[in-house]
Amino acid sequence: AQSVAQPEDQVNVAEGNPLTVKCTYSVSGNPYLFWYVQYPNRGLQFLLKYITGDNLVKGSYGFEAEFNKSQTSFHLKKPSALVSDSALYFCAVRDVAGNNRKLIWGLGTSLAVNP
Amino acid sequence: DAGVTQSPTHLIKTRGQQVTLRCSPKSGHDTVSWYQQALGQGPQFIFQYYEEEERQRGNFPDRFSGHQYPNYSSELNVNALLLGDSALYLCASQQSSGGGENQPQHFGDGTRLSIL
Repeated sequence: AQSVAQPEDQVNVAEGNPLTVKCTYSVSGNPYLFWYVQYPNRGLQFLLKYITGDNLVKGSYGFEAEFNKSQTSFHLKKPSALVSDSALYFCAVRDVAGNNRKLIWGLGTSLAVNP
Repeated sequence: DAGVTQSPTHLIKTRGQQVTLRCSPKSGHDTVSWYQQALGQGPQFIFQYYEEEERQRGNFPDRFSGHQYPNYSSELNVNALLLGDSALYLCASQQSSGGGENQPQHFGDGTRLSIL
């Protein structure tokens, strides 16, 4: 069965420090992986995706993520955090086996960037 | 270029009532997915509509039904509302035709449904 785990409910970092938000996944076929961000009372905004190719993908607002097939991970990173990055971050996976179109979502990680 | 729009933004209903939520997809998008997001949880996939048909469905009871119109807009209907249906309902659109299925979904800001 497909699943996504975000092992940390909350991540706290100081402004200017690097940040990492972790995501691991389980699928039967090849994964399509996504990161989204959600601000209070808003919908989800797309940050980046991995479909195929280079394991390091770059996305919006200076975020990047590294696909690691052996560790089944897709951690979100940013070299220098901003206070405005404080939000809820969701990892999602789509298992392309069986023509599946459903996205499976993690429970989210709340990122707090302290000034 | 308007993004995904949902209406209403907030709704209060009582147990046993029925509700209809509406979604207009982003211009150029032909596929609409609906999600339920309970407080403190990630989105849960309800179903996806393409070419006016339900293409895939998540683990939701038949009380949850939908519709897609020729202009690609969509409705989510929930019958016999339960307290547990209180959640943020999100609509997401994408373009499936022309190899667009791997493109990210674009989300509306959701409808906050409260059941009393």
